[in-house]
Amino acid sequence: QEQLVESGGGLVKPGGSLRLSCAASGFIFSDSYMSWIRQAPGKGLEWVSYISGSSRYTNYADSVKGRFTISRDNARNSLYLQMDSLRAEDTAVYYCVRGHTILTYWGQGTLVTVSS
Amino acid sequence: EIVLTQSTGTLSLSPGERATLSCRASQSVSNNYLAWFQQKPGQAPRLLIYGASSRATGIPDRFSGSGSGTDFTLTVSRLEPEDFAVYYCQQYGSSPYTFGQGTKLEV
Repeated sequence: QEQLVESGGGLVKPGGSLRLSCAASGFIFSDSYMSWIRQAPGKGLEWVSYISGSSRYTNYADSVKGRFTISRDNARNSLYLQMDSLRAEDTAVYYCVRGHTILTYWGQGTLVTVSS
Repeated sequence: EIVLTQSTGTLSLSPGERATLSCRASQSVSNNYLAWFQQKPGQAPRLLIYGASSRATGIPDRFSGSGSGTDFTLTVSRLEPEDFAVYYCQQYGSSPYTFGQGTKLEV
């Protein structure tokens, strides 16, 4: 049974930093591309970033490029998103997702609120 | 960037009826790499269809996808009470991978 559990969300001031984590189980994590997708309150879905199984390939949406960093630790079956220079418009539920083209399985998400 | 437009914001139907949801792309979607997701309140999205017409694992056959190029359709043949939700299309043919704004299917 695949499982993705996000953590690390919370309230942060504009300009601050936050690190999200995602614990994966039930599938071969190291073989899987992984993505972060976000959803602002009451809004639609926005792709944020993805990383290949070996960490060789990464890609970012223009809206977060240079501020967010995706990484993974295959020994710990964990995915991360380091978010720096946070802005109000980064407020959203952040989902950890298996895959990068076909988004097969989604975690339940963690809420990030950027507000003073 | 490919913009996906789901022209119907809200679709009001009844259980047992047929639902047809549309998704139009601003340019051709490479290899028809188009997916559909269902999202219920307070839940994460769930993959329904990928490759425009392939059902994901465990998805009932009342859900079907069709289309190519710039015009795609999700059809729910006979609506069940649990099908009332928000539906998103997504293209993964070219980066950045983009989503439509969603169609709410309500009773």
